[in-house]
Amino acid sequence: KQEVTQIPAALSVPEGENLVLNCSFTDSAIYNLQWFRQDPGKGLTSLLLIQSSQREQTSGRLNASLDKSSGRSTLYIAASQPGDSATYLCAVEGSWGKLQFGAGTQVVVTP
Amino acid sequence: NAGVTQTPKFRVLKTGQSMTLLCAQDMNHEYMYWYRQDPGMGLRLIHYSVGEGTTAKGEVPDGYNVSRLKKQNFLLGLESAAPSQTSVYFCASSYGTGDTQYFGPGTRLTVL
Repeated sequence: KQEVTQIPAALSVPEGENLVLNCSFTDSAIYNLQWFRQDPGKGLTSLLLIQSSQREQTSGRLNASLDKSSGRSTLYIAASQPGDSATYLCAVEGSWGKLQFGAGTQVVVTP
Repeated sequence: NAGVTQTPKFRVLKTGQSMTLLCAQDMNHEYMYWYRQDPGMGLRLIHYSVGEGTTAKGEVPDGYNVSRLKKQNFLLGLESAAPSQTSVYFCASSYGTGDTQYFGPGTRLTVL
């Protein structure tokens, strides 16, 4: 059974510092890995999707890497801002598009 | 273009009552999903549908039923609500396997 783990569970950094969020999964038979952002009381917003054949994906200040063989992905957020404060979730996709989520990393960026 | 919408946003039920949550999408997506989110546990898949008229069980289907009579709508039913079903419910949709999933704003359900 696929298990997805996110470490750390919570993270607080000063504004301007780079953020590094980790995600690990136990079964490498995945279609892709997705990173989502969730603000309090809101739904999920997709940030990046990395296909299983890709090593990384970039969007603006965000960069996500994927090492399928070791079951790891890392989300980097450069030059963090208070607006980056949110919970970040990673999810791996199996058959029929079914997503298996980690519990998330709660990020606070202090001014 | 509203994306994925969910009705209602909040609901309080008493144990044993029934209700239906409605999910609607206007992106012509084939696949639709229902997840629940509980503190410290991430999101877990309840049921999903890969096309109009089809449904399948996810990781935590017990106590829930679903229907997909129209492509744009996916209904989640609770026949006899239990306190363990207190949660935030999210609907999502996508074109298919390998595609980004788009999520609705969620329904916060409390069962007393």
